[in-house]
Amino acid sequence: EPEVTQTPSHQVTQMGQEVILRCVPISNHLYFYWYRQILGQKVEFLVSFYNNEISEKSEIFDDQFSVERPDGSNFTLKIRSTKLEDSAMYFCASSRDRGNEQFFGPGTRLTVL
Amino acid sequence: GQQLNQSPQSMFIQEGEDVSMNCTSSSIFNTWLWYKQDPGEGPVLLIALYKAGELTSNGRLTAQFGITRKDSFLNISASIPSDVGIYFCAAPFGGTYKYIFGTGTRLKVLA
Repeated sequence: EPEVTQTPSHQVTQMGQEVILRCVPISNHLYFYWYRQILGQKVEFLVSFYNNEISEKSEIFDDQFSVERPDGSNFTLKIRSTKLEDSAMYFCASSRDRGNEQFFGPGTRLTVL
Repeated sequence: GQQLNQSPQSMFIQEGEDVSMNCTSSSIFNTWLWYKQDPGEGPVLLIALYKAGELTSNGRLTAQFGITRKDSFLNISASIPSDVGIYFCAAPFGGTYKYIFGTGTRLKVLA
């Protein structure tokens, strides 16, 4: 059964450094998403991506963040100049259609020291 | 802002009991999704609902799309220990790609 994969599973970085989180969405899906979940809290929408451009973003997704689909399979989230409060689980998801079921990856745990 | 409120926040139940939880909002939605999240893992899709009044089952799970389109319900019958986890509802704002998640219901099953 196809699934969303994410790498790395855990990323530790120093405050101020840049990180790139990687995702491989399900191959026939056209809509891609990033979410964040701070420990013990609910899942928060960051951004959606379709047809090589951002479709929607939340107020969390400021200039510190960017997304890219560098090739036909990967979808990345870049966080520039990381802050302590960026520590969280970051989930990638994909769906075949808009408003359709989203399938989540296992997440990347980002720890900013 | 728009949000999905889930009730109860947490519950302890005995194995074999049925469980009910709900998700409510002041906004209208066209889709409701129910997810389960185990510790340290990503949410796993359980059921998707697309039509007001729709009742959909997935094994021991049954979910309903409320008639008002402002709420949804999830029932688990004959709970087992592996049902432990956090259950989230989620919905996309109509006409947007932005999904919001509910506050979650933490379920603990006592064997």
